[in-house]
Amino acid sequence: EAQVTQNPRYLITVTGKKLTVTCSQNMNHEYMSWYRQDPGLGLRQIYYSMNVEVTDKGDVPEGYKVSRKEKRNFPLILESPSPNQTSLYFCASSLSTGSDTQYFGPGTRLTVL
Amino acid sequence: AQKITQTQPGMFVQEKEAVTLDCTYDTSDQSYGLFWYKQPSSGEMIFLIYQGSYDEQNATEGRYSLNFQKARKSANLVISASQLGDSAMYFCAMFHFGNEKLTFGTGTRL
Repeated sequence: EAQVTQNPRYLITVTGKKLTVTCSQNMNHEYMSWYRQDPGLGLRQIYYSMNVEVTDKGDVPEGYKVSRKEKRNFPLILESPSPNQTSLYFCASSLSTGSDTQYFGPGTRLTVL
Repeated sequence: AQKITQTQPGMFVQEKEAVTLDCTYDTSDQSYGLFWYKQPSSGEMIFLIYQGSYDEQNATEGRYSLNFQKARKSANLVISASQLGDSAMYFCAMFHFGNEKLTFGTGTRL
C-alpha cells in the first residue's frame, strides 16, 4: 500500500531534549516536506526537499533541522525543543515537485513541556 | 511573498445543497498551482482538487469544482449536493513554481 508513515504519532517531551520525528514514503517520490499545523494558522511549511541531499527552508524553519540521505526518508530534528514548538506535524511527499498531489502522513502530535 | 487568504472561519450548509468556500491568493508570478485539501476530524489530509495557473478550464473532481478567476486571484471551492461526510476543515494552498514552496490558508470549517 502506498503510504507516508511518521513516527512517533504522539510525543510528550521536555524543553531542550533533542528529538527526531521520522518520515518515510514507499512511493519513490522525489519531493518531501514537513509542515506544522497550529489553530488559526493553518499549515505552515517548515522544510522541503527536492531530492536526495537537496533541502531548503520553508516559511518557519527556525528551530528545526532536516536531512535527506535516502530518497524514502526525511527526518525532522528538533535539537533543543521549546514549548512554542508544541504542534501537530505533518510529513508529505509528492512525485517530483510540490505542484504534484501531496500525500500526507498521519501526523505527529508533539507537546514540549 | 505568496499569501493565501480564507476569510470564512466557519460555514454551514444543509444536506443536498451546494456550498462555496472562498480562497484568494496573492502572488506576482504567472506560474503557480492551487490546491484544496480536506481534513476531517480524524486528522488526515485528503487531496480534493488542483488548478494550474495556465489551465483555461475550471477543474472538477466529482462533486468538487474549483471556480478559478485569475484576474481576481480567487480559487473558490464549490461542493455540490453536500453530504454529512463533508463536515471537515478545508484548506486552500498555493504552490509557487519559482521557489517550490507550498503555502496554505488558515482553513474553513464546514
